[in-house]
Amino acid sequence: DAEITQSPRHKITETGRQVTLACHQTWNHNNMFWYRQDLGHGLRLIHYSYGVHDTNKGEVSDGYSVSRSNTEDLPLTLESAASSQTSVYFCASRQGGLTGELFFGEGSRLTVL
Amino acid sequence: KNQVEQSPQSLIILEGKNCTLQCNYTVSPFSNLRWYKQDTGRGPVSLTIMTFSENTKSNGRYTATLDADTKQSSLHITASQLSDSASYICVVMNSGGYQKVTFGIGTKLQVIP
Repeated sequence: DAEITQSPRHKITETGRQVTLACHQTWNHNNMFWYRQDLGHGLRLIHYSYGVHDTNKGEVSDGYSVSRSNTEDLPLTLESAASSQTSVYFCASRQGGLTGELFFGEGSRLTVL
Repeated sequence: KNQVEQSPQSLIILEGKNCTLQCNYTVSPFSNLRWYKQDTGRGPVSLTIMTFSENTKSNGRYTATLDADTKQSSLHITASQLSDSASYICVVMNSGGYQKVTFGIGTKLQVIP
């Protein structure tokens, strides 16, 4: 069965360190997204990609970057982790078309000390 | 500004009882609305999609309604089970493109024996 996997599921890091969260999907979807989920907020879009070598900023992109070298993977990098980036991160993918369902990974819980 | 508001924020019901969750949105132009279920520690999973022309749609014990004129949707759960304990997130997409998805904060439902 097709799936979307994230790693690591849990990570603790220190302020200032670089962190990369991996996302891998086998749906063969062109569209991939990274969200963060915090208490009191809905899921907020960090970055998204419509295909290989395409990346775009979302509403909360400061301090994050992504790259898309193939269809399956969209790693999220925190260049210099800050305590405000402590959150649960979700990767998602969807097929084209306005009614396409978002398929989410299981999430990566990041704690920045 | 596109917004999705859900109520109540949290709800506790007895197993076997029915409940209704509400979603009001101001997203425009409207394309579709999805209800997602998010179990604790997991990623959201789509329950149902409502497009502009649809008023009611069922998925097992879940029934979603949409009133596009008043910009309201509801999710009715019949004969609740312990496994229904989760957060239910209303997600509205406008017709402006893939990235224009607005998430509600969610309603946290707890079903108790």
